[in-house]
Amino acid sequence: KQEVTQIPAALSVPEGENLVLNCSFTDSAIYNLQWFRQDPGKGLTSLLLIQSSQREQTSGRLNASLDKSSGRSTLYIAASQPGDSATYLCAPYSGGGADGLTFGKGTHLIIQP
Amino acid sequence: KAGVTQTPRYLIKTRGQQVTLSCSPISGHRSVSWYQQTPGQGLQFLFEYFSETQRNKGNFPGRFSGRQFSNSRSEMNVSTLELGDSALYLCASSDRGTGGSYEQYFGPGTRLTVT
Repeated sequence: KQEVTQIPAALSVPEGENLVLNCSFTDSAIYNLQWFRQDPGKGLTSLLLIQSSQREQTSGRLNASLDKSSGRSTLYIAASQPGDSATYLCAPYSGGGADGLTFGKGTHLIIQP
Repeated sequence: KAGVTQTPRYLIKTRGQQVTLSCSPISGHRSVSWYQQTPGQGLQFLFEYFSETQRNKGNFPGRFSGRQFSNSRSEMNVSTLELGDSALYLCASSDRGTGGSYEQYFGPGTRLTVT
């Protein structure tokens, strides 16, 4: 059964810093991995999708990398802004008959103005 | 393109009652998945429907059921509600089966409170 760990659980930094959020997963046989953000009481917003054959994906100030063999993914946020404050979740998808997306507990990020 | 919609957004029910939640996927998506989110357990997969058939099921009791219609809209039903069923229920649609990326798009959720 896939298990996902996200480190750190919480992070508070001043505006403008570059950040790295870490995600590790136990089953490397994944089809893809998604990073989401969730604002309090809201649904999930997809940030980046990395296919198993890819090493990284970029969208604006966000860059996600994937090392499938070691079961790790990182989300890099450049020049952080207060609007980036949210909980960030990573979710590998194993495909086939797997149990949907498996989520970690997330990293609760606060960017101080 | 319209996103995933869920109705109702908020619901208050009493223990023992049943509830039905609805989800309309992104146009063209045939896969709908349901997730439960609680502070203690986080996000947990309930089930996935694809082309009106349940494809995968998470580790939830039989009180949780669902169905999908020919237009890909999906409903989730919870019978004999318990206090522990209070949660945010999220629905996600994906382009599974269309040669796409399997990227999942989530709706805003239905906040269920059981009293």
